[in-house]
Amino acid sequence: DSGVTQTPKHLITATGQRVTLRCSPRSGDLSVYWYQQSLDQGLQFLIQYYNGEERAKGNILERFSAQQFPDLHSELNLSSLELGDSALYFCASSSRALIQETQYFGPGTRLLVL
Amino acid sequence: AQKVTQAQTEISVVEKEDVTLDCVYETRDTTYYLFWYKQPPSGELVFLIRRNSFDEQNEISGRYSWNFQKSTSSFNFTITASQVVDSAVYFCALSEAKYGGSQGNLIFGKGTKLSVKP
Repeated sequence: DSGVTQTPKHLITATGQRVTLRCSPRSGDLSVYWYQQSLDQGLQFLIQYYNGEERAKGNILERFSAQQFPDLHSELNLSSLELGDSALYFCASSSRALIQETQYFGPGTRLLVL
Repeated sequence: AQKVTQAQTEISVVEKEDVTLDCVYETRDTTYYLFWYKQPPSGELVFLIRRNSFDEQNEISGRYSWNFQKSTSSFNFTITASQVVDSAVYFCALSEAKYGGSQGNLIFGKGTKLSVKP
């Protein structure tokens, strides 16, 4: 158990809908990362937050957004969903976002868009 | 261009065989970190090891060992006397220094699926 929690574990929805994925980092960690794992793209970085502020953006679609709240939990919002958004979404956390730190991953949220 | 290349898509071995998973990386930074993660069939990503660019000592942890060679930009992972429980997808990842030394995202390879048969 990494200490990172993600809810829900599974999500089935329809095209055009909007969903919210939630992540709670390990106790004391200030940095949260979101990754998407799909069969064709592999594991791809979406976005990073550090202590409530956006720190870095990767290949995140404009239909996707995220935020980190004062209690440090984070939410990833996916809207106007398409079939191709079906994937496993991981949240990871690290202590202070220093290069030498390890990112610990949550169990993931498996999203299926029908 | 891929920054982390895991050329072996799938490997199948019989229990007790040794197996090496290859990882080749590309970076222009002098300070960087390399990682290996394991993804068992249950789906979670489990951290295995972290290695910094200044430490080329090989590391051994039980049946696992890692060989880091800067000259060939490789960070290979060997499992000795493999077991069925080692069956998983293994990912190599690179972290480069950004923003004055703070951590950026992990750049993952495509992964190697290891199947260990009894």
